[in-house]
Amino acid sequence: DTGVSQDPRHKITKRGQNVTFRCDPISEHNRLYWYRQTLGQGPEFLTYFQNEAQLEKSRLLSDRFSAERPKGSFSTLEIQRTEQGDSAMYLCASSFLAGGVGDEQFFGPGTRLTVL
Amino acid sequence: GNSVTQMEGPVTLSEEAFLTINCTYTATGYPSLFWYVQYPGEGLQLLLKATKADDKGSNKGFEATYRKETTSFHLEKGSVQVSDSAVYFCALSPKSGGNKLVFGAGTILRVKS
Repeated sequence: DTGVSQDPRHKITKRGQNVTFRCDPISEHNRLYWYRQTLGQGPEFLTYFQNEAQLEKSRLLSDRFSAERPKGSFSTLEIQRTEQGDSAMYLCASSFLAGGVGDEQFFGPGTRLTVL
Repeated sequence: GNSVTQMEGPVTLSEEAFLTINCTYTATGYPSLFWYVQYPGEGLQLLLKATKADDKGSNKGFEATYRKETTSFHLEKGSVQVSDSAVYFCALSPKSGGNKLVFGAGTILRVKS
């Protein structure tokens, strides 16, 4: 299967610990997005990359959050000093932008984070 | 700012019933509009999209028309099946700003046989 993959699928951690999630996009997709989804809500945009450049960060992304996409391939999302309010599903999506609009984003299965 | 409002669920229908899930949006300019679906235990999948006013997106018997006058993108299907049970998300993507998606809260659809 060559879809978007995310690892781990589930993460349980204690408050104050650091966690890191990985996303592998569909190969050759030049855009990669991170979203966060809490129970009963739709996904909320966090940040996106075009190739290796991080082009936008949401105000939802506090200083404790950092994302990277070295070499424009996989991406990591790190949360430092986790808080209970960080508990959510973290979704990754990728797309190929060729100058058009409305490009389809392909979503991964998500990483469910539980902060105790 | 940009926002999407969709009807609250859950929506419960019998098989072969007609489905409408309402979606309205607020946006600067004319965004692209999408319906995504999340089946139980699976990730989000694009169901259909429309990129300009009066466009109709369609897929798997579902359809939605981009109505600029009413800022709406209602999802319809003439005859639902049990396999259509899922969570449906309406979303918009501004023409500028990286094509990031702004989602509604989602509507749970349950279809009974």
